[in-house]
Amino acid sequence: DIQMTQSPSSLSASVGDRVTITCRASQGISNYLAWFQQKPGKAPKSLIYAASSLQSGVPSKFSGSGSGTDFTLTISSLQPEDFATYYCQQYNSYPPTFGGGTKVEIK
Amino acid sequence: EVQLVESGGGLVKPGRSLRLSCTASGFTFGDYAMSWFRQAPGKGLEWVGFIRSKAYGGTTEYAASVKGRFTISRDDSKSIAYLQMNSLKTEDTAVYYCTRDDGYNTGFDYWGQGTLVTVSS
Repeated sequence: DIQMTQSPSSLSASVGDRVTITCRASQGISNYLAWFQQKPGKAPKSLIYAASSLQSGVPSKFSGSGSGTDFTLTISSLQPEDFATYYCQQYNSYPPTFGGGTKVEIK
Repeated sequence: EVQLVESGGGLVKPGRSLRLSCTASGFTFGDYAMSWFRQAPGKGLEWVGFIRSKAYGGTTEYAASVKGRFTISRDDSKSIAYLQMNSLKTEDTAVYYCTRDDGYNTGFDYWGQGTLVTVSS
């Protein structure tokens, strides 16, 4: 199985900050990388697919980049509703696997 | 609007069975594969398995942790996907999510709200 490693595992940031989360795959996955946001007690919400494409309805403050093994998620200006846990996921091959998550907390 | 609604969760004893349902609306259900994921309390996300659309044979794949115990099926006439869970173990305790699986197009783009399965004596 492909291992996905996210960093950091948690971060504290202020409203308005620019935040970057990284994700590394244990082998090349082309651009078959998705990012999800999950709030407590809620289902994951797909933000980005194909490493950099926004899902329908997702605001443009979210952006993704990368290919191969190294990927990033950037939130350009953190807002109160963005405080959540973020997961990367590879879907290049089965089983699809997730990173361990990055919890974004209020500073 | 795409909606996925899971049902059927609850408390069950180890070794027993449970069937979850995922009722879909807002899209042509039969055109899509459907996947199940789970999340144990306080833990990360784990893929459970998926079922292809009839156009791709309607075949299934499973995670090693559930293979031989869990079965995914679908009823396209009712827009429902099922997860039959047999020989349940305490480590199967989790919130179970169904998702629309758009493969290499847009990935797992829509998720249900989840249903909690607790396996305990």
